[in-house]
Amino acid sequence: EPEVTQTPSHQVTQMGQEVILRCVPISNHLYFYWYRQILGQKVEFLVSFYNNEISEKSEIFDDQFSVERPDGSNFTLKIRSTKLEDSAMYFCASSDYSYSGYGYTFGSGTRLTVV
Amino acid sequence: GESVGLHLPTLSVQEGDNSIINCAYSNSASDYFIWYKQESGKGPQFIIDIRSNMDKRQGQRVTVLLNKTVKHLSLQIAATQPGDSAVYFCAENPSTGANNLFFGTGTRLTVIP
Repeated sequence: EPEVTQTPSHQVTQMGQEVILRCVPISNHLYFYWYRQILGQKVEFLVSFYNNEISEKSEIFDDQFSVERPDGSNFTLKIRSTKLEDSAMYFCASSDYSYSGYGYTFGSGTRLTVV
Repeated sequence: GESVGLHLPTLSVQEGDNSIINCAYSNSASDYFIWYKQESGKGPQFIIDIRSNMDKRQGQRVTVLLNKTVKHLSLQIAATQPGDSAVYFCAENPSTGANNLFFGTGTRLTVIP
């Protein structure tokens, strides 16, 4: 079964440092997303990406965040200067063109800890 | 600083019983809804979906009911098994032309063997 792969599974970084979270979406999917989940809270939408540009972003996705699809397979989330409150699980997801939940697949997440 | 987590609603059921998990959604314009299961340390896993032109949809051991009048969604799990223990989230697509999802707060289901 195709899956979304995220690396690393756990990242510890010092406050103020830049981090890049990496994702390999499902190969024939066209829409890519980042979500985050602060410990014990609900999953929150950050950004969606289609046709090499951001299609939607939430208020959380401020100037400290950026996304990129540097090649045909990877999709990255960069946080330029991490803050303590950026500590969370970050989930990448992808979906196919004929959008349906069954094709909307989440990765296992990267746990980001900012110290 | 320390973040305070939300107090998740919890549901405990005996193995073999049926479970009903409820969700209230916020946007009357939402036209697509999904139930996800999330096990500890894992990402959300698709269970079943429903579009707003339907009020019921059945899958294997699961049924989703949609009541648009009161903006309520439920997930019924038949013959609940220990492997069903997880946090269950409903998610809505706000029908803005984008594919982003808005998640509910979740319900923790514990199945007692």
